[in-house]
Amino acid sequence: AQSVTQPDIHITVSEGASLELRCNYSYGATPYLFWYVQSPGQGLQLLLKYFSGDTLVQGIKGFEAEFKRSQSSFNLRKPSVHWSDAAEYFCAVGARAAGNKLTFGGGTRVLVKP
Amino acid sequence: NAGVTQTPKFQVLKTGQSMTLQCAQDMNHNSMYWYRQDPGMGLRLIYYSASEGTTDKGEVPNGYNVSRLNKREFSLRLESAAPSQTSVYFCASSRLLEATNEKLFFGSGTQLSVL
Repeated sequence: AQSVTQPDIHITVSEGASLELRCNYSYGATPYLFWYVQSPGQGLQLLLKYFSGDTLVQGIKGFEAEFKRSQSSFNLRKPSVHWSDAAEYFCAVGARAAGNKLTFGGGTRVLVKP
Repeated sequence: NAGVTQTPKFQVLKTGQSMTLQCAQDMNHNSMYWYRQDPGMGLRLIYYSASEGTTDKGEVPNGYNVSRLNKREFSLRLESAAPSQTSVYFCASSRLLEATNEKLFFGSGTQLSVL
């Protein structure tokens, strides 16, 4: 069965600093990987996704993520965070063999200091 | 352009009471889903409907039932609520279940407390 681990429950970062959120997955074949963001009181919004091809994917709001098969990782990065980036971030993995249903990680809550 | 609409936004139940969470999407999507979100556990799939007329169990279906009323609407019912069902519930939809290039569109959630 597929699984996703987000090792960091909380991250605090200063505004303007860089941000990296870790995601590790477990799946035997090539997975489909997603990052979603959840602002307070809101549903989830897709930031970016990886299916194939270039392992560095660009998303909305200045985010990018890199798929590293050898490390089973799909870390999310942003060079310079804004106060509006304070939210909870979820990594998810899907696979055609699993009916394309997504498995979500536990989430990382990002706090942004002024 | 409403997207995915869930009602109610908040609900408090007593143990043993029943209720139905409503979800509707206006994007002509074929697939709809119900997730629950608990701290530190991410989102877990309760039930999903790949297309109108079909429903299937997800990861945590016990204690829940669903109805795909039509293409737009997908409801979640708790027949006899338990404190373990205290959670935030999200409905989501996608154009297709089987395609590989789909993203989920989420509603804004229902916060349910069972006392």
